Amino acid sequence: GDSVTQMEGPVTLSEEAFLTINCTYTATGYPSLFWYVQYPGEGLQLLLKATKADDKGSNKGFEATYRKETTSFHLEKGSVQVSDSAVYFCALSKTGANNLFFGTGTRLTVIP
Amino acid sequence: NAGVTQTPKFRILKIGQSMTLQCAQDMNHNYMYWYRQDPGMGLKLIYYSVGAGITDKGEVPNGYNVSRSTTEDFPLRLELAAPSQTSVYFCASTGGQAGNYGYTFGSGTRLTVV
Repeated sequence: GDSVTQMEGPVTLSEEAFLTINCTYTATGYPSLFWYVQYPGEGLQLLLKATKADDKGSNKGFEATYRKETTSFHLEKGSVQVSDSAVYFCALSKTGANNLFFGTGTRLTVIP
Repeated sequence: NAGVTQTPKFRILKIGQSMTLQCAQDMNHNYMYWYRQDPGMGLKLIYYSVGAGITDKGEVPNGYNVSRSTTEDFPLRLELAAPSQTSVYFCASTGGQAGNYGYTFGSGTRLTVV
């Protein structure tokens, strides 16, 4: 079945460090891929998405590229800030499907 | 524009009690969803609805019921609460298929069953 595997956390980085959170997926066909962010005490917010192979989603300095050959959608940011501390979820949706499948989430803590 | 509103934010239930988690959206979205979030387990789909009067089971529907009498509201009913239902519950909505639009989430309801 369809699934998403995320890098185990938690991840702790110093401010201005480079961030990578790995995400790989299993799905037939060409799913859409998403990254969501959950700040403390809040619901999930859409961070970025990509709907076809080689697409790059970007938002707020975060980027992720849809790699079909490696079935991956790794999240990256060149210089993290304390305000980026949150839990990050990778998710996929099959074409024509009505719901999203989520990974287990990766908690990021950025220290000054 | 309030988006997706969930009430209550917190609730403690005793084993065997029942309750309804409320979810309302003001974006005229057809698609609505209920997920539960357990620590380290990601989000699991409980029920979803593709429009008023239409609901369907997700991955973990046992112990829950839903109804969708209007486009705006999608309440989740827990009958005979059990400790295994201790979780954070999120309601979400989207105006089209999830693959194209992603979801808008509510802020969650933290439920503890003791």
